Amino acid sequence: GAGVSQSPRYKVAKRGQDVALRCDPISGHVSLFWYQQALGQGPEFLTYFQNEAQLDKSGLPSDRFFAERPEGSVSTLKIQRTQQEDSAVYLCASSQGLAEQETQYFGPGTRLLVL
Amino acid sequence: GDSVTQMEGPVTLSEEAFLTINCTYTATGYPSLFWYVQYPGEGLQLLLKATKADDKGSNKGFEATYRKETTSFHLEKGSVQVSDSAVYFCALRFGTASKLTFGTGTRLQVTL
Repeated sequence: GAGVSQSPRYKVAKRGQDVALRCDPISGHVSLFWYQQALGQGPEFLTYFQNEAQLDKSGLPSDRFFAERPEGSVSTLKIQRTQQEDSAVYLCASSQGLAEQETQYFGPGTRLLVL
Repeated sequence: GDSVTQMEGPVTLSEEAFLTINCTYTATGYPSLFWYVQYPGEGLQLLLKATKADDKGSNKGFEATYRKETTSFHLEKGSVQVSDSAVYFCALRFGTASKLTFGTGTRLQVTL
């Protein structure tokens, strides 16, 4: 079946622009995560949704970052007034349920470059 | 806070060589431990996992054992192939449906 998909795959933005990154999780998956991966680093957690509820947003680096999942499926990560330090790959992951054994399945990521 | 430390890469090996990639963690409690792999041009994929002390995860010839006494989860493979060239990430997670905490990744390059 289809995996996690993300769009766009690449995004170039001028500093100060707003961007929106989309994640389509695997159908029926309850949990959805966003991670940020800087060049040469491991992914770092941004935020977590259980269905439409955003249960953890402790990793969002500033109030310029906002995420939503209004119908409990597709999610959008929005970055306002982008800065150069926002340049990174943004990864989305989903898992089927809430059990301890659940595997997180990752999308291919959106590579954001802020000039 | 919780953290994962991996050996720095790149690791360059000849085909059929033995592989070890070290991973240690710092955490309050006993997390689940994971190895993820990122092949060139592809997304992160779960390679193997272990959820409690002394568990051994294995997949595709790779193995890692959850060592509570040394807080380690080293990745091993007896005979690497060129197709194993990728970036390997060690990660930990507490509880259900919670975030993964990753190491910085180790790039493996296997040559003929």
